[in-house]
Amino acid sequence: QQQVKQSPQSLIVQKGGISIINCAYENTAFDYFPWYQQFPGKGPALLIAIRPDVSEKKEGRFTISFNKSAKQFSLHIMDSQPGDSATYFCAASIQTGANNLFFGTGTRLTVIP
Amino acid sequence: NAGVTQTPKFQVLKTGQSMTLQCAQDMNHNSMYWYRQDPGMGLRLIYYSASEGTTDKGEVPNGYNVSRLNKREFSLRLESAAPSQTSVYFCASSEPGQGGEQYFGPGTRLTVT
Repeated sequence: QQQVKQSPQSLIVQKGGISIINCAYENTAFDYFPWYQQFPGKGPALLIAIRPDVSEKKEGRFTISFNKSAKQFSLHIMDSQPGDSATYFCAASIQTGANNLFFGTGTRLTVIP
Repeated sequence: NAGVTQTPKFQVLKTGQSMTLQCAQDMNHNSMYWYRQDPGMGLRLIYYSASEGTTDKGEVPNGYNVSRLNKREFSLRLESAAPSQTSVYFCASSEPGQGGEQYFGPGTRLTVT
């Protein structure tokens, strides 16, 4: 059973456009929601993360929007660039204990020049 | 500072063979993790070690064993490889209380024929 559901599976965006990836979860005990970026042949790397006490977090062109009541969160990439082409994973965890991450199934983003 | 290193990068095994995947981190992290990544399924936790001397099962532990050799090293062993274990394996580490970020290694691509 997938604890974090992610959509879409793939996304093609024109350079300069906005990329939006959505995730949903069921476990209300989750208190940490990171997004990881993965380039081909590499391991995932943390892009941005949010905790449920805020509804939005922005770092440069990347923004997480968080809706606690709907149990949903999303990644927005503004002014998308070809260098953003990668696979993006949302995840969730409970920060106490071992901080095990539950990952979504990933979104392959392609930004067309 | 190499971060998280994994060996080997690639491996081909025949069904029934055994092997050990090695992982080491130089960030003095207490927690370490093993994930497998399969197309369309994201990353799934196999085993984790919350601290030196402890190991616990994750979502998909069957067919695997682990050893936390010391604080730096966490190995994953396949005793009798099966084609269903064909995957990319990632090791990660984190320090509880330091924001929750997990740092990933470059991965091992394993094929079982």
